Amino acid sequence: SSELTQDPAVSVALGQTVRITCQGDSLRSYYASWSQQKPGQAPILVIYGKNNRPSGIPDRFSGSSSGNTASLTITGAQAEDEADYYCNSRDSSYNHVIFGGGTKLTVL
Amino acid sequence: EVQLLESGGGLAQPGGSLRLSCAASGFIFSNYVIIWVRQAPGKGLEWVSGISGSGGVTYYADSVKGRFTISRDNSKNTLFLQMTSLRVEDTAVYYCARQEAGYDSSTYYSYYYLDVWGKGTTVTVSS
Repeated sequence: SSELTQDPAVSVALGQTVRITCQGDSLRSYYASWSQQKPGQAPILVIYGKNNRPSGIPDRFSGSSSGNTASLTITGAQAEDEADYYCNSRDSSYNHVIFGGGTKLTVL
Repeated sequence: EVQLLESGGGLAQPGGSLRLSCAASGFIFSNYVIIWVRQAPGKGLEWVSGISGSGGVTYYADSVKGRFTISRDNSKNTLFLQMTSLRVEDTAVYYCARQEAGYDSSTYYSYYYLDVWGKGTTVTVSS
């Protein structure tokens, strides 16, 4: 089955822009979606498809994709954005979801 | 309000069994693929199993195949995960999530996303 690779940790200064990436062969055919998880809480969806935000997600969150890499960009990171971020996509061989290992975002 | 709520977690001995439930509300349950995702302590998210809206098609991760059984009762808007032959490595928070699918006709890309998550139920396997 396919794999998705994320950097384990990323940091950003308050108010600056940060990009979190996700790499995998399945991303050449399937868009990634992104979920945010804060400690002790369930994940919530923040980006899906080409670049879609669910209702209630701030527009500082955006998504993009190129080749085998998907990116989640936070423009003007806020303290409340500090969380773990997981990409997921469809497995290229099997009809199920696969997850990246997660990126811990620290807002300095 | 669209909602998923898990229950049934607890402490089990290695080799034991547990049955998890996931109660859905606020949407037409039978229209959606629902999946189980777990998260071991301090670890990332792992897809465990999924089931089609009708219940006729099921999928399992290799790590649980032959030990876990997913099912659903659409008349009661409830999803289940029967877990047998439990192992210490099955210790995790188990989430149910609603899976949606989409297609971008301009790029020919399709995509899956998980737009509704439950709060999770904790399973601990220990002697």
